[in-house]
Amino acid sequence: GENVEQHPSTLSVQEGDSAVIKCTYSDSASNYFPWYKQELGKRPQLIIDIRSNVGEKKDQRIAVTLNKTAKHFSLHITETQPEDSAVYFCAAIQQTGANNLFFGTGTRLTVIP
Amino acid sequence: DTAVSQTPKYLVTQMGNDKSIKCEQNLGHDTMYWYKQDSKKFLKIMFSYNNKELIINETVPNRFSPKSPDKAHLNLHINSLELGDSAVYFCASSQGLLAGVNQETQYFGPGTRLLVL
Repeated sequence: GENVEQHPSTLSVQEGDSAVIKCTYSDSASNYFPWYKQELGKRPQLIIDIRSNVGEKKDQRIAVTLNKTAKHFSLHITETQPEDSAVYFCAAIQQTGANNLFFGTGTRLTVIP
Repeated sequence: DTAVSQTPKYLVTQMGNDKSIKCEQNLGHDTMYWYKQDSKKFLKIMFSYNNKELIINETVPNRFSPKSPDKAHLNLHINSLELGDSAVYFCASSQGLLAGVNQETQYFGPGTRLLVL
């Protein structure tokens, strides 16, 4: 199956600074890459996604970039706020007849006030 | 309105018991999934169903048996529970299977925290 690697596993930033989380994937046929935010004890919630026909997508303070050739994609959060503190997961869908999400190992982001 | 709901929220049981977790979605989606999140927070796909039919079983032991009575429900039955089954189980749904037309976006339920003693 698809193999998704995610770095770093933990990230601490000062409030107002930017945070960047990086992921790589193994299957060149994967074409959909969502990012989920999971707060403690809560469900994963989609925050942004990107499809393989697009190189970058932005939604307010959140942006995602995709490099298909290198098979990596990144999440960028600008002007971080304490409420951004959570675990962030990247994922990739392997197009094998089912849209199974293969998740990265997660990044625990802490925004220090 | 809860789009994807699961019951129970917590489940504490003894080794060897059989238990079920229920999932319902009111989004009108065709595809539903079960994921397992272990103590290290790793999220891993277990099953996916489309229109009540099993699509993928990602090497899950046959003690786990999903059942989909209709498109809106996907229940998970677990036989002979083991200590290693302790985890949070998430149900999710998506509109369908087609790529590139927003069908693949998945919405998660609140999770069921299973503890096997």
